[in-house]
Amino acid sequence: SQTIHQWPATLVQPVGSPLSLECTVEGTSNPNLYWYRQAAGRGLQLLFYSVGIGQISSEVPQNLSASRPQDRQFILSSKKLLLSDSGFYLCAWSVSVGVSGWYEQYFGPGTRLTVT
Amino acid sequence: DQQVKQNSPSLSVQEGRISILNCDYTNSMFDYFLWYKKYPAEGPTFLISISSIKDKNEDGRFTVFLNKSAKHLSLHIVPSQPGDSAVYFCAASAIGGSQGNLIFGKGTKLSVKP
Repeated sequence: SQTIHQWPATLVQPVGSPLSLECTVEGTSNPNLYWYRQAAGRGLQLLFYSVGIGQISSEVPQNLSASRPQDRQFILSSKKLLLSDSGFYLCAWSVSVGVSGWYEQYFGPGTRLTVT
Repeated sequence: DQQVKQNSPSLSVQEGRISILNCDYTNSMFDYFLWYKKYPAEGPTFLISISSIKDKNEDGRFTVFLNKSAKHLSLHIVPSQPGDSAVYFCAASAIGGSQGNLIFGKGTKLSVKP
C-alpha cells in the first residue's frame, strides 16, 4: 500500500533563516505530488505541484520554492523565511480513479512551521 | 474568486443527530467532488466522493448529495458521533483539469456534543 511521509513534524525557525521540508511517497511510481499550506483559520492553499522529476508548477507567487530531485521525493524550500510563511504545510499525492480521468489526493501528516 | 465555497465556518450538532455540511461551487466544468476530514495538526483524510453522473453516494454513516443544477453538494453524517468533530473540506475537480489538481473550500468546523 502507498504511504506518504513528511518531516519534520514541527519546526520553529527565525525570520531570515532557510527552510527545507521533505516529503517522500512509498508504494507508487510517478505520482503527481503537491505542496499545500494551511494558514491559521484558513483553508488549503495549493503552493506547488509536480507531475514528474524536475517538473514544478507554482500556483501562487511567494517566498518559497519546490524541487523534485527523485520520482517519489518532493522538497519545499526557502532561502529566507518571512513571518508570513508560518503555517501548516501539507504534502499530497494523487491517484487516478479508474479510467475516469478523475483524481483523489492523499495527504501526509503535515509540518507545523512557526517563524519567529 | 472562490470557485468552491463552504459558507458555514462552523456547525454544532448533538451526538446521535444528523450533521449536514454544505458546499457550493461556481465552475460548471467541475464534475468530481470530494470530502475530506481534518483533525488538528494532522493531514486531511479522504472521506467520500461523488461524480457528476450521480446525485447520491453513500458510505456507512456518510452520504454525499449532489445537485448539479444548483451547483450544490452536501455531506450528511448520520448518526453524528463525538469522534466526527473535525474540520471538513469540500473539494472539486474537472476531467482534464490541471494534473489532478483539486480546488478546496475553506472548511467547516464540526463540533459534535455528547
